[in-house]
Amino acid sequence: DGGITQSPKYLFRKEGQNVTLSCEQNLNHDAMYWYRQDPGQGLRLIYYSQIVNDFQKGDIAEGYSVSREKKESFPLTVTSAQKNPTAFYLCASNPGNVLRHTEAFFGQGTRLTVV
Amino acid sequence: AQKVTQAQTEISVVEKEDVTLDCVYETRDTTYYLFWYKQPPSGELVFLIRRNSFDEQNEISGRYSWNFQKSTSSFNFTITASQVVDSAVYFCALSEEEYGGATNKLIFGTGTLLAVQP
Repeated sequence: DGGITQSPKYLFRKEGQNVTLSCEQNLNHDAMYWYRQDPGQGLRLIYYSQIVNDFQKGDIAEGYSVSREKKESFPLTVTSAQKNPTAFYLCASNPGNVLRHTEAFFGQGTRLTVV
Repeated sequence: AQKVTQAQTEISVVEKEDVTLDCVYETRDTTYYLFWYKQPPSGELVFLIRRNSFDEQNEISGRYSWNFQKSTSSFNFTITASQVVDSAVYFCALSEEEYGGATNKLIFGTGTLLAVQP
């Protein structure tokens, strides 16, 4: 079935460690996004990519990094510079500019906890 | 500034009651799209509806209906005869043109947690 797969579902990080969250899609979508969800704050955009080998900062990019080497993959690295990384992270995709304003498809999320 | 406001943080109803979730948006653009998503306990956001800024017709899909009013910048969502399976967090979101093109970025409201009691 086509969709977006995020892994792992739960992730624990020690202080000072970098961790990478995986996001893979088989929908042949050009655009991919990473959102962070905190209680009472809705979803906030971290990074997005509209095409392979290109990505843009969202509203809260500090302490995060991404890459887009393949169309189907958009991994997010939470670096030690992110002071409060405990949150629920959601990856999304949509067809991109070919179909403007289409709905996004979301993965099931990764819950990251700093221990 | 672009903004989506969902003033209702939590709503609790008893099964079979009707419930309306409010959404108010701000945007400087004349072309924009509004969305509603449902987030069940599993965490994945499920798309419910998309409406563009030029179409103010209300829409009904089964027990769900949406009321879009540009005059008040609102896009409210009503569930008729609520069921326990409707319990979830519901998000309203805005997508707009940017620099003459669509990045398809979504600006989300803070969500409304709906609890339907049996």
